[in-house]
Amino acid sequence: DVKVTQSSRYLVKRTGEKVFLECVQDMDHENMFWYRQDPGLGLRLIYFSYDVKMKEKGDIPEGYSVSREKKERFSLILESASTNQTSMYLCASSSGGSYNEQFFGPGTRLTVL
Amino acid sequence: GEDVEQSLFLSVREGDSSVINCTYTDSSSTYLYWYKQEPGAGLQLLTYIFSNMDMKQDQRLTVLLNKKDKHLSLRIADTQTGDSAIYFCAEREYNFNKFYFGSGTKLNVKP
Repeated sequence: DVKVTQSSRYLVKRTGEKVFLECVQDMDHENMFWYRQDPGLGLRLIYFSYDVKMKEKGDIPEGYSVSREKKERFSLILESASTNQTSMYLCASSSGGSYNEQFFGPGTRLTVL
Repeated sequence: GEDVEQSLFLSVREGDSSVINCTYTDSSSTYLYWYKQEPGAGLQLLTYIFSNMDMKQDQRLTVLLNKKDKHLSLRIADTQTGDSAIYFCAEREYNFNKFYFGSGTKLNVKP
């Protein structure tokens, strides 16, 4: 079974703090993704990576950065957390094969006070 | 990015059929997907359809694709309370690995 794990299910941080969200997948997938999910807006892509040390901006990268030092791990960094970054963060990975299913982690609900 | 649109809510009675609709804009999409998200969980792939198909059936699920109108639908037959969840439509950008997701349709199944 493919497994995508995220370091925390719930996180509460203060405005201005640096926040790290970690994601690990165990299926040797090339592609990894970070989304945020907000009610009525669905999933919006923040960043994705198609290889180690490679990253591409998604649709809403402002205020975020990412790191992919190892194939199995993709980190999302909020350099200086703000209240408008309170959201559900979902990590996903895919193999890049023909129908290219994305496998999702359980999500991290981040609250910034 | 591409636009994928869905209505936000659908309410049905247990045993009825549910039909969740989705429209998309990228005519070069190769695959279209339906994902299910149960409360407190990540998304799980339900089914997908290749763009050269009109219909795909998988047990209680039927996917219909109208490529001319860029319209995708998911029909769930004999809907059960366990089908209550948020359903996301997604399209995959041609030649890339980027997905575009709709806003999700929250299905509420009344006993």
